Amino acid sequence: AQKVTQAQTEISVVEKEDVTLDCVYETRDTTYYLFWYKQPPSGELVFLIRRNSFDEQNEISGRYSWNFQKSTSSFNFTITASQVVDSAVYFCALGEAAGNKLTFGGGTRVLVKP
Amino acid sequence: EAQVTQNPRYLITVTGKKLTVTCSQNMNHEYMSWYRQDPGLGLRQIYYSMNVEVTDKGDVPEGYKVSRKEKRNFPLILESPSPNQTSLYFCASGQGAYTQYFGPGTRLTVL
Repeated sequence: AQKVTQAQTEISVVEKEDVTLDCVYETRDTTYYLFWYKQPPSGELVFLIRRNSFDEQNEISGRYSWNFQKSTSSFNFTITASQVVDSAVYFCALGEAAGNKLTFGGGTRVLVKP
Repeated sequence: EAQVTQNPRYLITVTGKKLTVTCSQNMNHEYMSWYRQDPGLGLRQIYYSMNVEVTDKGDVPEGYKVSRKEKRNFPLILESPSPNQTSLYFCASGQGAYTQYFGPGTRLTVL
């Protein structure tokens, strides 16, 4: 069975600090996809990134970066120089290639204070 | 514009009163799914559909029904809602586990 664990339930930082969100996953599949979604206070889910299990290259997109380490089954997400608009709940999710669903972690609430 | 729409966005109802939450997508996706979101649990899949007239249970199907008579629509039916079904519901469409587009969410309160 697949499982996603986001151990941090809430993180509070002051604007311009960096914040790293941890995500650890479990799967028996060799081919799978990992995702990060952002859920702002308005409630919608905003897709941030998808990585497949064969691509461990880390990625940077503006102030966001992702660290995928297959050896430790982790897919961590870092926001550099955080801003108040980054305040949201962030979800990590796992999709097995042969499956029909995404398995989500419990989410990490990020609060960025001015 | 590619989108998934849900209606209603907010609903307050009472125990036992049947309700339907509609979901529609304009991307011609074969795959559609329903999730519920509860604090600390993330999103959990209720039902999914691989195509018209093909539906199957997800992780938490009890108390829900779905139907897929048309490709674009995938309504979620609560025949006899109970307070433990108070939740935030998301519809999704896409290509299975590869990519999913989520609707805006429906916040349901059952009194």
